[in-house]
Amino acid sequence: EVQLVESGGGLVQPGGSLRLSCTASGFTFSSYEMNWVRQAPGKGLDWVSSISGSAITTYYADSVKGRFTISRDNAKNSLYLQMNSLRAEDTAVYYCARDLPPDYGGKFRFDSWGQGTLVTVSS
Amino acid sequence: EIVMTQSPATLSVSPGERATLSCRASQSVSSNLAWYQQKPGQAPRLLIYGASTRATGIPARFSGSASGTEFTLTISSLQSEDFAVYYCQQYNNWPPVTFGQGTRLEIK
Repeated sequence: EVQLVESGGGLVQPGGSLRLSCTASGFTFSSYEMNWVRQAPGKGLDWVSSISGSAITTYYADSVKGRFTISRDNAKNSLYLQMNSLRAEDTAVYYCARDLPPDYGGKFRFDSWGQGTLVTVSS
Repeated sequence: EIVMTQSPATLSVSPGERATLSCRASQSVSSNLAWYQQKPGQAPRLLIYGASTRATGIPARFSGSASGTEFTLTISSLQSEDFAVYYCQQYNNWPPVTFGQGTRLEIK
């Protein structure tokens, strides 16, 4: 069974930093593109960042480019999101999401999601 | 950035009836369109990708279709567990991938 478990959320002051983690199990982690998608309280879904299985290629939403860094450790089956210079508008539940299997071709179809971790940016 | 517009914002339908949800893209996304279902307090679940392909384990009462930049999610006979928020998402032009604002499907 595919499992994605996020951790690392919490309350942080504006301008502060936080590192989110996502631990994966039940599949060959290194073979899959992985993503972070966030959802502000009461709002819709907002794609944040993506990383290829090999970690060679990364993508970011303009709203977080230069402030957030996505990374992964395939030996530990773990995905990370380093968030710096946090703003009030970054307040959201952050989901770790897996792409469809590589043999499906393409990218950015999110077939498995974690339960999310809440990040609150407030003084 | 491609803008996805969903309508209506809220749809009230009785159990057993058909529900039709719409999503429009601001420019062509080919068939690179997915639908997700989200229930309160839960993560989203992938229902449809490629505009019309059901994801693994999704019941046949869920179907997707496309006509140009207009996409439709149809739920043929609503069950109690289908009342939720539904999002469309384009993954044709990226980054960024973009989501619609959601349609809330509620019990009439």
